[in-house]
Amino acid sequence: GAGVSQSPSNKVTEKGKDVELRCDPISGHTALYWYRQSLGQGLEFLIYFQGNSAPDKSGLPSDRFSAERTGGSVSTLTIQRTQQEDSAVYLCASSLGLKREGETQYFGPGTRLLVL
Amino acid sequence: AQSVTQLGSHVSVSEGALVLLRCNYSSSVPPYLFWYVQYPNQGLQLLLKYTSAATLVKGINGFEAEFKKSETSFHLTKPSAHMSDAAEYFCAVTGNTPLVFGKGTRLSVIA
Repeated sequence: GAGVSQSPSNKVTEKGKDVELRCDPISGHTALYWYRQSLGQGLEFLIYFQGNSAPDKSGLPSDRFSAERTGGSVSTLTIQRTQQEDSAVYLCASSLGLKREGETQYFGPGTRLLVL
Repeated sequence: AQSVTQLGSHVSVSEGALVLLRCNYSSSVPPYLFWYVQYPNQGLQLLLKYTSAATLVKGINGFEAEFKKSETSFHLTKPSAHMSDAAEYFCAVTGNTPLVFGKGTRLSVIA
């Protein structure tokens, strides 16, 4: 597609349930990033993929959070046993992946997650 | 380690007035600096990017930013604000780490 797409755009879930968030990067972009945007914390890095590998997952806040990427394209961020503090907007970005530093990242519209 | 400080969580200007959004960074390696804009319920859109080629960077929608190493600053300016500029603006830095964002500055434009 023309840009990064994310689904669903909005997700409401009950505390304790698992959720899956999907990101479809720009075609040809090998690097993919997940960020979380919340009122109190601003924009936080979660995880970085190069191809199907995740060389940097330092931002994942707990072991309830995991992500995978298959076929070097679509990525899924999974949050298990959701808590109310997981409520946030989850943003995905992609870049060409030719170099680690300084590449422009292109962002999707985000998934707004609300945990009741 | 890298960090970004955006002075002013909210800036309000009159339509036609100068826009100045401040960003100071800290980086232990030569930085790459970005300004992104976020409109309500949308993702982040790149305004401009500094990669050491030139200290004055011109971006979209009439915005520009000047990299000043001595002041560790990368302030965003626009000579004349338009109503459509109302949005949240984020400064970000990277070098050898993932993008680190500032807390953002919400720009309001008054008619």
